Amino acid sequence: GEDVEQSLFLSVREGDSSVINCTYTDSSSTYLYWYKQEPGAGLQLLTYIFSNMDMKQDQRLTVLLNKKDKHLSLRIADTQTGDSAIYFCAERRGSGGYNKLIFGAGTRLAVHP
Amino acid sequence: NAGVTQTPKFRVLKTGQSMTLLCAQDMNHEYMYWYRQDPGMGLRLIHYSVGEGTTAKGEVPDGYNVSRLKKQNFLLGLESAAPSQTSVYFCASSTPGGGGETQYFGPGTRLLVL
Repeated sequence: GEDVEQSLFLSVREGDSSVINCTYTDSSSTYLYWYKQEPGAGLQLLTYIFSNMDMKQDQRLTVLLNKKDKHLSLRIADTQTGDSAIYFCAERRGSGGYNKLIFGAGTRLAVHP
Repeated sequence: NAGVTQTPKFRVLKTGQSMTLLCAQDMNHEYMYWYRQDPGMGLRLIHYSVGEGTTAKGEVPDGYNVSRLKKQNFLLGLESAAPSQTSVYFCASSTPGGGGETQYFGPGTRLLVL
């Protein structure tokens, strides 16, 4: 089953900020990831955050991590039509080599003019 | 660098037929993975490999077999396809300890089993 939870759909106006939320279950997860999937394409890594960080910023992307609540968010500033895609949150479980990723079901972001 | 490539891109099978999906990576990654993606669900791990000659079961391994004879290739086999195996299949690779141990994905193979 899916232990990583995401809302399924988000609609925003072009130029506004988008915030995609995710909750995960394993407090020992070391890395948390955001992947983007455009129609008919594979998953593209957007960014990741190590569990000892609260925030990571990369150009228009800001990732916030609340370990106490096991909550992860992705904020996209100045959202553009090219940002329309499905966004997957994933947590890394396990240690000592094997990198097991648990994915959420994905949030479909629709950007309208 | 081509990254991770998958062949074929699309295939239609009849129930009971067999096929092999090929994944290749040119990043010298140790780990390789096969996932399936179904509507409304996240990716689920089928099988994975932590090195040449080794394979292990993931979350949904039944009906699939894999082989990792060469470090750069990871093959996924369906011996007797079933309609429940209609899905999009993604291969990924990663290297331990590198860049957040990020997994890099191929473009996917769409499989339809009739």
